[in-house]
Amino acid sequence: EADIYQTPRYLVIGTGKKITLECSQTMGHDKMYWYQQDPGMELHLIHYSYGVNSTEKGDLSSESTVSRIRTEHFPLTLESARPSHTSQYLCASSVQGLHTGELFFGEGSRLTVL
Amino acid sequence: GQNIDQPTEMTATEGAIVQINCTYQTSGFNGLFWYQQHAGEAPTFLSYNVLDGLEEKGRFSSFLSRSKGYSYLLLKELQMKDSASYLCAAMDSNYQLIWGAGTKLIIKP
Repeated sequence: EADIYQTPRYLVIGTGKKITLECSQTMGHDKMYWYQQDPGMELHLIHYSYGVNSTEKGDLSSESTVSRIRTEHFPLTLESARPSHTSQYLCASSVQGLHTGELFFGEGSRLTVL
Repeated sequence: GQNIDQPTEMTATEGAIVQINCTYQTSGFNGLFWYQQHAGEAPTFLSYNVLDGLEEKGRFSSFLSRSKGYSYLLLKELQMKDSASYLCAAMDSNYQLIWGAGTKLIIKP
């Protein structure tokens, strides 16, 4: 059982609101990721981090920000939510090195923007 | 560009064997990964291949041919709980995972 947690699990908000999706892991993993996934579609990388004070942009990063102040915590913030942001957001973590592709995922945050 | 191709959907019978194929094109290659994702849940890691050949793990096996840019996931003795999407992902030269859209596997009694 993976020790990576996301809150909230479900969120319904209005257009223009600022939201933060929380993600914490207790495995001491250096690498953390945020993905967006629509039903039946591939995972799209939003942001990732190699460790504390490291943040990198993925393919869908332009409308969100992340921070990595502590190893275990990697929150994702949408400054102004839009209906196009309606999706499932998955946080994941992994070690560095040979097994870096073995990701442990949180249960996801399902966001609906009205 | 970088690309992963896998069938959208497959159907198989409980107790049978099914092979899910995946072809990939990436800038560099650092391994091929398979994940299982049940409906409404997060993906979970199944297997990792970086060298050519077959890796067996219980009822699941994964094969890789680097020269052909090809992998498959083989599921034996299918059970109803194996109904899920199976995601193929290749790791490129920057150690980033390139994901396929997944193959939805439907198991019939």
